[in-house]
Amino acid sequence: DAKTTQPPSMDCAEGRAANLPCNHSTISGNEYVYWYRQIHSQGPQYIIHGLKNNETNEMASLIITEDRKSSTLILPHATLRDTAVYYCIVISTGNQFYFGTGTSLTVIP
Amino acid sequence: DADVTQTPRNRITKTGKRIMLECSQTKGHDRMYWYRQDPGLGLRLIYYSFDVKDINKGEISDGYSVSRQAQAKFSLSLESAIPNQTALYFCATSDPGSSGYGYTFGSGTRLTVV
Repeated sequence: DAKTTQPPSMDCAEGRAANLPCNHSTISGNEYVYWYRQIHSQGPQYIIHGLKNNETNEMASLIITEDRKSSTLILPHATLRDTAVYYCIVISTGNQFYFGTGTSLTVIP
Repeated sequence: DADVTQTPRNRITKTGKRIMLECSQTKGHDRMYWYRQDPGLGLRLIYYSFDVKDINKGEISDGYSVSRQAQAKFSLSLESAIPNQTALYFCATSDPGSSGYGYTFGSGTRLTVV
């Protein structure tokens, strides 16, 4: 499965959009991009996933570049409760997830 | 009730003791996983099981063993606990047949080995 690269930390003002980048330049055609987040020491929580089209759900939007080598998770109106570590994972269906160290997002009042 | 339940939530044990962490799920998923998380680090895969008869080692299986007693139960054992096994442990399940194939995690077990 492809490796991912994320910035270790980011800040975002409350109410503004949080844009979290992820590079996955070695992604292959059958690999999905998944995003999870971990609030404090809770179990990671699923946010969104996609293959090549942009995706949106009630939590976030996922923008995948046309060449699929990078993606951006967008939290449209960040709140203090969005402060968490965000993990970008690239995986083919049926395989096990390997987590990196993610991006620690701090939402500032 | 939670979909994935881990017991105990917290445990302090002494070096050399055997300890078992338990995980049960009501999702009906065939696949179950054990992860370990050290402070400031991501999750690392210890063991995983794709069905009751299937057990596989992950990235860091040394010092650990597992048992898949039933589809709903997956236990992690430390045969002789050592201090560097102090960590937060998570159990997870997944269903590759579902459209999302996402993982569902338990709330974690905080283990301290003294």
